[in-house]
Amino acid sequence: QKEVEQDPGPLSVPEGAIVSLNCTYSNSAFQYFMWYRQYSRKGPELLMYTYSSGNKEDGRFTAQVDKSSKYISLFIRDSQPSDSATYLCAMSGDTDKLIFGTGTRLQVFP
Amino acid sequence: EAQVTQNPRYLITVTGKKLTVTCSQNMNHEYMSWYRQDPGLGLRQIYYSMNVEVTDKGDVPEGYKVSRKEKRNFPLILESPSPNQTSLYFCASRSHRGLYEQYFGPGTRLTVT
Repeated sequence: QKEVEQDPGPLSVPEGAIVSLNCTYSNSAFQYFMWYRQYSRKGPELLMYTYSSGNKEDGRFTAQVDKSSKYISLFIRDSQPSDSATYLCAMSGDTDKLIFGTGTRLQVFP
Repeated sequence: EAQVTQNPRYLITVTGKKLTVTCSQNMNHEYMSWYRQDPGLGLRQIYYSMNVEVTDKGDVPEGYKVSRKEKRNFPLILESPSPNQTSLYFCASRSHRGLYEQYFGPGTRLTVT
């Protein structure tokens, strides 16, 4: 079993839709949770990070962590074609190592 | 502009021909690492370096070498490339305090025939 599981998609939604992206994990030591966005032919870039459980909002993006269920989510409101990318979850515990999910490809069509 | 640069961006080579992929960062970051990205497997760490002259293996180090002689540079060396090293490679850097924010290079697409 992988430490981090992420549905690869692709996920195709119309512009304006609410998008939900999710990851599950097995290591209860994880306490730092991140979402990276990767456009085609580019390197990943940090979108959001949260520590421990709870929600964090940044504009149209909301990151949610449920440590009891070992489940994290990224919600995108009012999705735009420019949000079309691959979204990678990443997490870390008491080491410096980041463990990445395999990424979910999102396409937002006009 | 703060950035991580990699060269070359694309490389096609043959089995056994030694190659080096360069990586350089201009943010004075202590921590640098190399990843490979493969479909269905995601990003996997190859090697990392916590500072000059300090390197350690990641999850998939076999067939790769690295060196860290200067803080800004972290080249990835494939002494004898094989087809199973065909992949998309990313260099990344971060400061010691910035665990969450790794800065990634643009990637190097390597094909070994």
